[in-house]
Amino acid sequence: DQQVKQNSPSLSVQEGRISILNCDYTNSMFDYFLWYKKYPAEGPTFLISISSIKDKNEDGRFTVFLNKSAKHLSLHIVPSQPGDSAVYFCAALQTSGTYKYIFGTGTRLKVLA
Amino acid sequence: NAGVTQTPKFRVLKTGQSMTLLCAQDMNHEYMYWYRQDPGMGLRLIHYSVGEGTTAKGEVPDGYNVSRLKKQNFLLGLESAAPSQTSVYFCASSPQKETQYFGPGTRLLVL
Repeated sequence: DQQVKQNSPSLSVQEGRISILNCDYTNSMFDYFLWYKKYPAEGPTFLISISSIKDKNEDGRFTVFLNKSAKHLSLHIVPSQPGDSAVYFCAALQTSGTYKYIFGTGTRLKVLA
Repeated sequence: NAGVTQTPKFRVLKTGQSMTLLCAQDMNHEYMYWYRQDPGMGLRLIHYSVGEGTTAKGEVPDGYNVSRLKKQNFLLGLESAAPSQTSVYFCASSPQKETQYFGPGTRLLVL
């Protein structure tokens, strides 16, 4: 039972355009959502997060949107840069009841120069 | 600050052998975690710790044991390695429950 899903394994975007990465979840008990970025042979690094009580959080070129009714979140990168090429993981956290920290399977983003 | 470090970086084991993976953090974080990453599976939580002397099971704990005797160290043990434990192992730490800081990973091959 995959509680956090990233249905697009890969995405290619032209430099300067918008990158949109999507993530769906099934567990309504998640109260925090995060995005991590991972380069080859390195550990994931935190990018941006959002609490379940908000619907948008912005940090520079990165914006995360949360649609609780659809159980869907997305990461927007504007403008995309070649250095953004990496694997992006969404993660969901449940802190009440059973502790859960669940990662999606990742989306490989390639930004073309 | 070194952040989160993992030892070793790479290891080859034979089936049935045991080993311990060491994770160390110098950020005084309370929470520490061990994950494994397999192709097409994302990162899956093996065990975690909410403070020195405490440990708890994650999503895939079978075949692994952990210890947190010191706040800065979190050890992951494999008592009898199996080929299914071939994976990349990541350690992470966090000052609170949300944002995690990851180490560079340990690549383990079990033959």
